[in-house]
Amino acid sequence: DVKVTQSSRYLVKRTGEKVFLECVQDMDHENMFWYRQDPGLGLRLIYFSYDVKMKEKGDIPEGYSVSREKKERFSLILESASTNQTSMYLCASSAGGSSYEQYFGPGTRLTVT
Amino acid sequence: AQKVTQAQTEISVVEKEDVTLDCVYETRDTTYYLFWYKQPPSGELVFLIRRNSFDEQNEISGRYSWNFQKSTSSFNFTITASQVVDSAVYFCALRGRYSSASKIIFGSGTRLSIRP
Repeated sequence: DVKVTQSSRYLVKRTGEKVFLECVQDMDHENMFWYRQDPGLGLRLIYFSYDVKMKEKGDIPEGYSVSREKKERFSLILESASTNQTSMYLCASSAGGSSYEQYFGPGTRLTVT
Repeated sequence: AQKVTQAQTEISVVEKEDVTLDCVYETRDTTYYLFWYKQPPSGELVFLIRRNSFDEQNEISGRYSWNFQKSTSSFNFTITASQVVDSAVYFCALRGRYSSASKIIFGSGTRLSIRP
């Protein structure tokens, strides 16, 4: 079974802090994704990575950066957390190619106060 | 442009009833892929099924079945004899064959509540 893990289920940070969300997958997938999910707005793609050190902006990259130094690990970084970044963050991975489904981690519920 | 519409925002049924979740999609691609995901209260999206556009055969998996109709651009999901554990938000999604792997379009989701 594919397993995608995220470093924290719940996280509370203060405005202005630098926040790291970690995601690890164990299926040797080429693609990894970070989404945020907000009520009424559905799933929105923040960043996508199709290979080590390769990344592509999604629909809402502002205020975020990512890092993929190893194939299995994809990190989302909030350089200076703000209250409007309070959200559920979901990491996903998939094999290469457009036909493959994404597998999601359990999510991190981030609260910025 | 690609689009996925799940017109039913919320559905509530009594346990053991059958329920169908609708999904209508729009795409200009001739080859594309459709997906269903389940998001239980715990939050993790769970992959349920993938359907290729060139395969219109319906699929059944236990109490779950999927009806793919290209003529009406629909990919509906039916749960037979629903159970409380089926309570979740269900998402339909679409990706074109030549789209980047990042270009998966999710519907807005249908929240299904099964009452005991």
